[in-house]
Amino acid sequence: DQQVKQNSPSLSVQEGRISILNCDYTNSMFDYFLWYKKYPAEGPTFLISISSIKDKNEDGRFTVFLNKSAKHLSLHIVPSQPGDSAVYFCAARFGANNLFFGTGTRLTVIP
Amino acid sequence: KAGVTQTPRYLIKTRGQQVTLSCSPISGHRSVSWYQQTPGQGLQFLFEYFSETQRNKGNFPGRFSGRQFSNSRSEMNVSTLELGDSALYLCASKWVGTGELFFGEGSRLTVL
Repeated sequence: DQQVKQNSPSLSVQEGRISILNCDYTNSMFDYFLWYKKYPAEGPTFLISISSIKDKNEDGRFTVFLNKSAKHLSLHIVPSQPGDSAVYFCAARFGANNLFFGTGTRLTVIP
Repeated sequence: KAGVTQTPRYLIKTRGQQVTLSCSPISGHRSVSWYQQTPGQGLQFLFEYFSETQRNKGNFPGRFSGRQFSNSRSEMNVSTLELGDSALYLCASKWVGTGELFFGEGSRLTVL
């Protein structure tokens, strides 16, 4: 049973435009959410996170939004750059428990 | 500081064989987790070890097992390999508790 879902397997965006990656979760116990980025032949690397007590967290070009009532979070990348092309995984956990990952969204930024 | 190191990076096995994968965590990290990545399934949690004890376990059959040594290095073993075990196996370490996970590059297993 997939507790974290990324319903869009792929997304293509023009360079300079905004990329919006979406993630839905089912477990209301989750209290911490993360986004990881993965390039081919590399392990996932941490990108940005948000605690359930917040609804927005920003780090440079990356912003994560959390809507607890809708059990939905999104990652905004502005402006998108070709180097952002990668697979993005949404993840969630409660307490110190293991992370539950989504299935990933492949982002392609077109120059 | 060296990152998480996984060996081997690539391997090919046949059905029915067994395989052992190794993971050396970041120095000082005591928790090691293993994930399986397959297309369409994302990263599925296998198990987590902390101080040589399995602390959490995912929903995988008993053919999948692991262990952790006193130096925090970890191994995972898959016995009686099936075609569906073909995947990228990722190891991740963290210092403790709610710390951030750091991933290795993975071991890509192909079962023929």
